[in-house]
Amino acid sequence: AQKITQTQPGMFVQEKEAVTLDCTYDTSDQSYGLFWYKQPSSGEMIFLIYQGSYDEQNATEGRYSLNFQKARKSANLVISASQLGDSAMYFCAMREGSGTYKYIFGTGTRLKVLA
Amino acid sequence: GAVVSQHPSWVICKSGTSVKIECRSLDFQATTMFWYRQFPKQSLMLMATSNEGSKATYEQGVEKDKFLINHASLTLSTLTVTSAHPEDSSFYICSASGQGGPNSPLHFGNGTRLTVT
Repeated sequence: AQKITQTQPGMFVQEKEAVTLDCTYDTSDQSYGLFWYKQPSSGEMIFLIYQGSYDEQNATEGRYSLNFQKARKSANLVISASQLGDSAMYFCAMREGSGTYKYIFGTGTRLKVLA
Repeated sequence: GAVVSQHPSWVICKSGTSVKIECRSLDFQATTMFWYRQFPKQSLMLMATSNEGSKATYEQGVEKDKFLINHASLTLSTLTVTSAHPEDSSFYICSASGQGGPNSPLHFGNGTRLTVT
C-alpha cells in the first residue's frame, strides 16, 4: 500500500534562512505524483509544488523547491529565504496510481519562522 | 486559477440534527470531488470520492448512511452529516480535480468547521 511519511512534527527556522521539510514515500507504482501543500491556521490548503515520478529535474516554484531523490523515495521541500508568513502546517501528498486522482497525505510538519 | 468554494465555513448544531456542507467549483467543471476530514493537529483523512452523476465511493470505515454525498452537477457536491453527534465535530474539507489531468493539483475549499453540541 502507498504510504507517505513526514518524520518532523515541528520545525523552527530563523527568518531569511532556508529550511528543508522531509518527506519519504512508499509505492510500487511506476507513475505517481508528489505534491506539497501549506495549511495556515485558517485551514485552507494551498498548493505549493508538484513533482512527477518521471520528471528528471527537481521542481521549483519561486522560493519553493523539491529535492526529489527517486532511488531513496524522498521528496523533501526546501523553502528558501523564510518569511514569517511561511509559518504553517506543511503536508506532503502522493497521488495514488496513474488512473486516479486520490491523494494520500503525510502527517504534516508544523513550521514556525522566528523573527 | 481553479477556485473551489465551500460553505459554510463554520457551523454549530445540536446533537441529532443534520448539517449540509456545499462544495462548488467556481470556474471549472469537476467530475470528481473528494471529501476529507481532519481532526485537530492531524492529517487529512479521505472520506469519500464523489463522482458526478453516480454514487460516491466511500473509504473503509466511513458510514455512507451517516455521511451522505450528492454530486448532482459538474460544479456542486454536497456532504450531509446526518443525525450529528459530538464525535462528528471536526474540520471537513472538500477538493476537486481540475481538468489538467492526474498531474494537476487538487484544489481545496476553505473547509468547514463543524461543532456538534
